[in-house]
Amino acid sequence: DGGITQSPKYLFRKEGQNVTLSCEQNLNHDAMYWYRQDPGQGLRLIYYSQIVNDFQKGDIAEGYSVSREKKESFPLTVTSAQKNPTAFYLCASSIRPWGAGEQYFGPGTRLTVT
Amino acid sequence: KNEVEQSPQNLTAQEGEFITINCSYSVGISALHWLQQHPGGGIVSLFMLSSGKKKHGRLIATINIQEKHSSLHITASHPRDSAVYICAVSTGNYGGSQGNLIFGKGTKLSVKP
Repeated sequence: DGGITQSPKYLFRKEGQNVTLSCEQNLNHDAMYWYRQDPGQGLRLIYYSQIVNDFQKGDIAEGYSVSREKKESFPLTVTSAQKNPTAFYLCASSIRPWGAGEQYFGPGTRLTVT
Repeated sequence: KNEVEQSPQNLTAQEGEFITINCSYSVGISALHWLQQHPGGGIVSLFMLSSGKKKHGRLIATINIQEKHSSLHITASHPRDSAVYICAVSTGNYGGSQGNLIFGKGTKLSVKP
């Protein structure tokens, strides 16, 4: 079955540690996205990639980094510089960028930093 | 003011009721999306539309481009419809490299048996 996988579902880290969230898709989509969701707020874009080896900052990229070495994979690293990292993180992909095509979402990773 | 506004924020209905969730936006768009987020957090795309009306099972989505408004209707609601429904608009052009996907804050629907 085609889809997007994110792992792990729940992640706990101590403050000051970097942590990497995994996102893999087998939909053959060029465009991939990372969003952050906080209670009472809409999804906010962290980073996006329209093609392998290329990625761009979204609205809230500070304290995050990404890589896109393979079409299928778009990992997100939450660095110690992110001031408020506890949140629900969603990865998505689409065949066309910017909502011009249907977006497919992964199940999400809930990160708690203490 | 948010560029995408949804109403109501919360909605409680009895099983079988007809439900309407509204979405208004203030930017030019190329498409509007309705998404469903279940309590576990996963999000599913329900509709993507740029004009008129689409229907899938008990769900109907309409959009009025002139009024910058869309509605999501659920007929014969069921407790399994309980979820957060999110409206998102795309400001990108097909095949273009610029644009954005702007999300509303969601409408939390609870359908009681």
